Amino acid sequence: NAGVTQTPKFQVLKTGQSMTLQCAQDMNHNSMYWYRQDPGMGLRLIYYSASEGTTDKGEVPNGYNVSRLNKREFSLRLESAAPSQTSVYFCASSEVAGDEQFFGPGTRLTVL
Amino acid sequence: AQSVTQLDSQVPVFEEAPVELRCNYSSSVSVYLFWYVQYPNQGLQLLLKYLSGSTLVKGINGFEAEFNKSQTSFHLRKPSVHISDTAEYFCAVNTISGYSTLTFGKGTMLLVSP
Repeated sequence: NAGVTQTPKFQVLKTGQSMTLQCAQDMNHNSMYWYRQDPGMGLRLIYYSASEGTTDKGEVPNGYNVSRLNKREFSLRLESAAPSQTSVYFCASSEVAGDEQFFGPGTRLTVL
Repeated sequence: AQSVTQLDSQVPVFEEAPVELRCNYSSSVSVYLFWYVQYPNQGLQLLLKYLSGSTLVKGINGFEAEFNKSQTSFHLRKPSVHISDTAEYFCAVNTISGYSTLTFGKGTMLLVSP
């Protein structure tokens, strides 16, 4: 079991560029989550998907979109990157919504 | 609504000393509680969780936490820390009636020095 995998591990973008962060889990979990982590701010929820076919906004959704492609995969898209989106992004999954979450290794994104 | 407060942003301690990381939560109903650890440049991993039953919960790496309903606390303890315990620790809560997400605290950085 690989658990939760994320690609890429590192990315540098210029302001205005777009990109998609990929996340996949092999634990047959129903729920998936995207967080960003910034110094002193802890983890902030961007979007989540309680079950396949549903997505909901979290605390900081502006500037992001998500797609729950299937039960395994949940992607996060930045349409027009801004320096304020420089952060470390974590994907997580849980068997059911609100349960113990399993985290991926993170993507470190820098927007210049 | 539920919330989590981790009272200390940083806790420095010497190797082999005991440590307590504090977590208080706010909820009007029964809760599930979690502690996660994040080592440098890694994702979060579960240390321990309280769902029901005994209020003293044992986790990995010698950590334990005690659920105190009257104090609305879930403090994390270790009797003797190692250099390798240097990491950031996050407390999280959900209610038994079940929000769709966990609510995380802002984290406590544990710094263990020789």
